[in-house]
Amino acid sequence: EDKVVQSPLSLVVHEGDTVTLNCSYEVTNFRSLLWYKQEKKAPTFLFMLTSSGIEKKSGRLSSILDKKELSSILNITATQTGDSAIYLCAGVGTYKYIFGTGTRLKVLA
Amino acid sequence: GAGVSQSPRYKVAKRGQDVALRCDPISGHVSLFWYQQALGQGPEFLTYFQNEAQLDKSGLPSDRFFAERPEGSVSTLKIQRTQQEDSAVYLCASSLLGGGAFFPEAFFGQGTRLTVV
Repeated sequence: EDKVVQSPLSLVVHEGDTVTLNCSYEVTNFRSLLWYKQEKKAPTFLFMLTSSGIEKKSGRLSSILDKKELSSILNITATQTGDSAIYLCAGVGTYKYIFGTGTRLKVLA
Repeated sequence: GAGVSQSPRYKVAKRGQDVALRCDPISGHVSLFWYQQALGQGPEFLTYFQNEAQLDKSGLPSDRFFAERPEGSVSTLKIQRTQQEDSAVYLCASSLLGGGAFFPEAFFGQGTRLTVV
């Protein structure tokens, strides 16, 4: 059965800290891994990773995929209160996006 | 439209009532997905459409759940005889392409929060 597991489930840090969120996947016919940020309701797209070892970067956020280990990490440097959200990763197979439970990040001022 | 639009945003239903949730995907998007998200959980797959064809409905929890996309654009998720365990946020997502070697990112609507009392 396809599954995606994220860790930690929740995290509380102070502004300025760096965090690393983990995602491991077992997805049939794996094609890509996606990261989303969910603040209120709609998850908003952050990154799509298809190749191992190539870092994707957007501002203070970066992510990388390791196909050998079936995992991905999302790094956030110099965290801000506005980074507080649930971070979801999803493994994409033939067409399904299989989501993990998410990591709930809270950044304290 | 500019983004995926869902309506209503909130729905309170009495147990046993039928409900219909609507999703307007981004214009031209081939793929459409419905997800159910319970409190504190990640989105759980319900069903997938490629244009008007429902290619996968394996995630629908029971035969009380029914989805359609008759013209390959707007989709409706119908829940008959609602139960309390149906209370959740129902998210719709669309993506530009379907199948093939490349599957792009999906864009989500704001969701419909269903509360069954």
